[in-house]
Amino acid sequence: SQTIHQWPATLVQPVGSPLSLECTVEGTSNPNLYWYRQAAGRGLQLLFYSVGIGQISSEVPQNLSASRPQDRQFILSSKKLLLSDSGFYLCAWRGTPGEQYFGPGTRLTVT
Amino acid sequence: GQNIDQPTEMTATEGAIVQINCTYQTSGFNGLFWYQQHAAEAPTFLSYNVLDGLEEKGRFSSFLSRSDSYGYLLLQELQMKDSASYLCAVIKAAGNKLTFGGGTRVLVKP
Repeated sequence: SQTIHQWPATLVQPVGSPLSLECTVEGTSNPNLYWYRQAAGRGLQLLFYSVGIGQISSEVPQNLSASRPQDRQFILSSKKLLLSDSGFYLCAWRGTPGEQYFGPGTRLTVT
Repeated sequence: GQNIDQPTEMTATEGAIVQINCTYQTSGFNGLFWYQQHAAEAPTFLSYNVLDGLEEKGRFSSFLSRSDSYGYLLLQELQMKDSASYLCAVIKAAGNKLTFGGGTRVLVKP
C-alpha cells in the first residue's frame, strides 16, 4: 500500500531564514505530487504540483520554490522566510481517478 | 476560473443527520470529492462522485447533480468524533489538480 511521509512535523523558524521541507512517497511509481499550504482557519491553497522528475508547476507567485530530484521525493524550499509563510504545509499524491492522499503535514511558525 | 461554495459552519446533535451542500462553477467538470479534516490533522479522503446520483458508504453518503452543479455530503447517525471540517473539491477532465472549497466546520453536540 502507498504511504506518504513528511518531515519535520513542526518547525519554528525566524524571519529571513531558509526553509526545506521534504516529502517522500512509498508504494507507487511516477506519482503526481502536490504541495499545499493551509493558513490557520483557512482552506487549502495549492502551491506547486509535479507530474514527474524535474517537472514543477507553480500555482501562485511567492518566495517559495519546489523541486523533484527523485521520482518519489518532493521538496519545498525558501531562501528567506516571511511571517506570512506560517501555516500547515501538506504534501499529497494523486490516486485514480483523481483523489489525493495527504501526508501528515508540517506545521511551520515563522517568528 | 473555478468557484466552489459551501457553508462555513453547521451544528447538529449527536445521532442526528447533517447535509453539507456544495455548489461549483467550473468548465470541464469531471468529479466531486469530499474530505474530512480534524483539527490540526491532514485531510482524509471520504468519497468521489463523477456520475449523477447517490454514493453510500456506511454512515456517510455523497450526492452529485451535474446539471445543477451541485453536490452534498450526508452524515447520518452523527457521532462526537464526526466534529471536523468537511472539504468539497472538484477536478476537471484530464486535470491534474483539485480545487478545494473553504470547508464546512461541523460541530456535533451531545
